[in-house]
Amino acid sequence: DSGVTQTPKHLITATGQRVTLRCSPRSGDLSVYWYQQSLDQGLQFLIQYYNGEERAKGNILERFSAQQFPDLHSELNLSSLELGDSALYFCASSPGWRQGRSPLHFGNGTRLTVT
Amino acid sequence: EDQVTQSPEALRLQEGESSSLNCSYTVSGLRGLFWYRQDPGKGPEFLFTLYSAGEEKEKERLKATLTKKESFLHITAPKPEDSATYLCAVQALQNQGGKLIFGQGTELSVKP
Repeated sequence: DSGVTQTPKHLITATGQRVTLRCSPRSGDLSVYWYQQSLDQGLQFLIQYYNGEERAKGNILERFSAQQFPDLHSELNLSSLELGDSALYFCASSPGWRQGRSPLHFGNGTRLTVT
Repeated sequence: EDQVTQSPEALRLQEGESSSLNCSYTVSGLRGLFWYRQDPGKGPEFLFTLYSAGEEKEKERLKATLTKKESFLHITAPKPEDSATYLCAVQALQNQGGKLIFGQGTELSVKP
C-alpha cells in the first residue's frame, strides 16, 4: 500500500459530462501529481501542485483543471468529456516540490470510461 | 525534447532464465532515473532511483545500472511473481517541479 488514496476506482459517464476525481496524498507529502495512462500514450504528466499552488504543467487539456486544498487533498476536474478521455488517471505524491531523494508514490488510479 | 525509450516492448521468459530490460534516455541534464513496477489494474510501485553514471542498486532478483545514455534492469533467475510491466522514468534538471517522464514500459511474463 503506497498510502496514496484515489476515489472513485471506476467511473462510467457519457460524452459531454463532467466528473471529479479525488486524491489524498501520503501523510506528510506536500506535492500531488496527476498522470493519465492510456494504452497508446503510456503515462503522461498532467499537472503538479505543491502545498496548494500549481508547480508544473504538462499537456493538460483546457477542459481539465485541478486544485489542491488546504488539507492537501487534490481534485482533478474533467469537463465536456470525449470518448478519447477514457483512460486510467493516477495521482502520485512526494514530500517536496522536486524529487530530491524521494520518489513519487502512486495511488491505484481511477479508471474513467466515457461512453 | 526529453525522451525515454524502453526495449523490448514485451519479454517472455521461463522461470530461472535471466535477462535484461533496457531504458534509453535523452534529457537535457539528468536529476534522477527511476524504475517502477506496475501490475495490471494497479498504480506504479517504486523500485529504484539512480542518480549518476556507474551507480547500481539491487533488490532481491533485480539489479539496476546506469550509464550516461541508458539504464538496464537485470533480472536474475526470475519467478512467475516477477511478471509485471516495468517502467523507466527520468527527471530532468531543468524541469519545473518534480515531474517524471515515463517510457512506454516493458511487459515481462515469466512462465513456470
